[in-house]
Formats: sequence, C-alpha cells, structure tokens
Amino acid sequence: GENVEQHPSTLSVQEGDSAVIKCTYSDSASNYFPWYKQELGKRPQLIIDIRSNVGEKKDQRIAVTLNKTAKHFSLHITETQPEDSAVYFCAASTVKGAQKLVFGQGTRLTINP
Amino acid sequence: DVKVTQSSRYLVKRTGEKVFLECVQDMDHENMFWYRQDPGLGLRLIYFSYDVKMKEKGDIPEGYSVSREKKERFSLILESASTNQTSMYLCASSLYSGAGRTSNQPQHFGDGTRLSIL
Repeated sequence: GENVEQHPSTLSVQEGDSAVIKCTYSDSASNYFPWYKQELGKRPQLIIDIRSNVGEKKDQRIAVTLNKTAKHFSLHITETQPEDSAVYFCAASTVKGAQKLVFGQGTRLTINP
Repeated sequence: DVKVTQSSRYLVKRTGEKVFLECVQDMDHENMFWYRQDPGLGLRLIYFSYDVKMKEKGDIPEGYSVSREKKERFSLILESASTNQTSMYLCASSLYSGAGRTSNQPQHFGDGTRLSIL
C-alpha cells in the first residue's frame, strides 16, 4: 500500500523567514496531495492541495510543489508569522470515489518572534 | 460551512468496556472516515465508509468496528477497550468523487475525541 514519509518532524524558524516541509510517497498511482494544518487543540484544516497534473500551486504565502518522477512534494511558507505555528500534515490519495488518504507523520512548525 | 460533530471531546473508560464514539456530519457527504492520531505517527485510518451500511477497513482496523445506519452518522466501536487504544480519535467526511463531480474532494474533520482507557 501507499506510504508517506514527512520531514522534518520539528522545524523552528524566525518570523519573516521561509519554512519548507517535504514529503515523499511510494505509490505512483497517487494523484492528489493535500496539506492540513492543525493548531493546538483544534481540528486539522485543509490549507492547500495539488493534483498530479499540476507541478506547482500557490495561495498567497503558501505554495506546494510536486515532482511526480521523484515522488515527492513540498510545502513552502514564505514571510512566516506567529499564527503559522502549528502541526502540518501532508497526505496522498490513491483511490477515487472514497479517496482514502494516507498521511505523513506531521511537522511541528514553530515561528519564533 | 461543513460541520462534522463528534459526540464527546474527552472520554475516560475502563479496560474491557465496550466504547462507542459517534460522528455526525450535516453536508450530505457520502464518505466518512475514522482516524486515530498519535504523536509521531500522524493520522492513521481505522475504517471508512462510502455509503450507508458500507464499510471498508483502513490501515489499523484491529480491535475496532464501525456502523453506518444513516448517511449522516458514522460510529466507531471498541468492542473491548484496551490501554493501547488510548488516543485522539478524529472523524472526517467528504463528498464521493465520481461522474459529474470534481475529483479529489477534500476531507473535513471534527474536533476529535480524546479517549483514555484506564
């Protein structure tokens, strides 16, 4: 089955700097890659997603890139702010219809003021 | 806005008890999912359902069962709770991706139930 590896497990950056979180997946049939943000004590929330027919997608300060050949995708956050502090999860989906997601282990991002 | 509601935020049960976790969504979603979240392991899928009375095993179904008698409600059952089932449990729902619909429908999560088995 699909396996998703996420790195790093923790990341600390200065406010205003950029943060990058990387994920690799194993199943070449995966075609959908969402990123979720989970603030302390709250539910995971979708922040951006990318489909396999696109190499890059951007939404204001966040962007996701996908390299299908290498089977990896990354989340980029620019001009980081304290409210970006959270746990971030990547995921990959291989099944249409029910679209079962396989999640990475999570990255705890801390923005230092 | 999609609302996924889990019946309890915190629950404490004893080993051997039968435990029910309830989840309700109000957006007429076909798909519903149960995950458990443990530090360093991310979210792991226990069971999912794509229709009423339909269920499929996820990656870690052992020790759990589910029930989907109505479209809006998906229940997770711990038949005989054990201490290694102490965890955060998250429910999610999404639209079924198929003909006439945008592919790759996002999953919407509930607030979670923190379950402690003593």
